[in-house]
Amino acid sequence: DVKVTQSSRYLVKRTGEKVFLECVQDMDHENMFWYRQDPGLGLRLIYFSYDVKMKEKGDIPEGYSVSREKKERFSLILESASTNQTSMYLCASTTGNQPQHFGDGTRLSIL
Amino acid sequence: KQEVTQIPAALSVPEGENLVLNCSFTDSAIYNLQWFRQDPGKGLTSLLLIQSSQREQTSGRLNASLDKSSGRSTLYIAASQPGDSATYLCAAEPYTGGFKTIFGAGTRLFVKA
Repeated sequence: DVKVTQSSRYLVKRTGEKVFLECVQDMDHENMFWYRQDPGLGLRLIYFSYDVKMKEKGDIPEGYSVSREKKERFSLILESASTNQTSMYLCASTTGNQPQHFGDGTRLSIL
Repeated sequence: KQEVTQIPAALSVPEGENLVLNCSFTDSAIYNLQWFRQDPGKGLTSLLLIQSSQREQTSGRLNASLDKSSGRSTLYIAASQPGDSATYLCAAEPYTGGFKTIFGAGTRLFVKA
């Protein structure tokens, strides 16, 4: 079974902090994604990566950056955290035309 | 721009009932349509994926259909059980835009014992 592991289930940070969310997958998938999920809005794509060091902006990239130095790891970075970035963050990976496999999410609170 | 809508937002049914969850999308140029399940505080689990050339997919008590011409997909759950209680999301992957899958907001299902 594919396993997508997000480093933290819950995280509390302060405004202005630089925040790192880590995601690791164990199935050699070339494609990885970061989403945020907010009540009533569904999932919205922040960034995705289709190869090492390659990245594409999703629908809401503002205030975020990503890093993919190794195939199995995809990091989401909040450059200067703000309260409107309080959300559930979900990482996913896939290959070819397969369904996306999701991690359990990180619930991030910015105070 | 693709929009995916799920109605109703919430549904409560007694155990054993057959039920249908609805998903509509505005742009029929989709690569595939997926249904996911999400338990509280968890990530998404893929249930069924329908390619654009297919009309339906089945897995156990679940059957998903796709009608691109009308911009609709349905998820049919037979003989519902309390363990089916979760939020169900549909997602459309467009032909254009790379991997920019568009998700609906979900239908929260509660199956009463």
